[in-house]
Amino acid sequence: SQQGEEDPQALSIQEGENATMNCSYKTSINNLQWYRQNSGRGLVHLILIRSNEREKHSGRLRVTLDTSKKSSSLLITASRAADTASYFCATVSYQAGTALIFGKGTTLSVSS
Amino acid sequence: GAVVSQHPSRVICKSGTSVKIECRSLDFQATTMFWYRQFPKQSLMLMATSNEGSKATYEQGVEKDKFLINHASLTLSTLTVTSAHPEDSSFYICSASQTGPGAFFGQGTRLTVV
Repeated sequence: SQQGEEDPQALSIQEGENATMNCSYKTSINNLQWYRQNSGRGLVHLILIRSNEREKHSGRLRVTLDTSKKSSSLLITASRAADTASYFCATVSYQAGTALIFGKGTTLSVSS
Repeated sequence: GAVVSQHPSRVICKSGTSVKIECRSLDFQATTMFWYRQFPKQSLMLMATSNEGSKATYEQGVEKDKFLINHASLTLSTLTVTSAHPEDSSFYICSASQTGPGAFFGQGTRLTVV
């Protein structure tokens, strides 16, 4: 079963605006990862945040993690049309060993 | 960086035939490989976990006799969709891991069964 739930399911913004996506999960984790997927393509790993970390930055990306609320957020600043994609959060499933279990994803559309 | 190669990227097959998808780790030994399925506009669903030299562990609801997984070496795992039907049409993605969560994904295989 799916571990994560992202919201919103779809987000449309203008270039230059910030995009915030949230992810909630159900079980304990040791890390949470964000991935990006362009339509019909493979996954691109964006960022990993460990359970003992609260915030992490990578370029225009900022990820936060609140283990008490079992939630994470991904912020993309100064968005570009090329950021248009689906974004998924994924966590390690203890039940399935080291497999990543994905949320439903947020589809981001950035218009120029 | 580590690369996982998945082949083929697209395949169209007739109903009732079998299709084999390969997943190779190119520059590291993958002790564990994972197979995911993704339906249009949906998330990735874990199908099975395979460890080299042992039987795969299938997620609930995934038919092991229909989706045959072989992990014969530390660099290759295969997924065979047997007696494919149109409802098996999907995007299949593999992931390979040395230790820890599988952060290295193949590019995916789009299977269309006609």
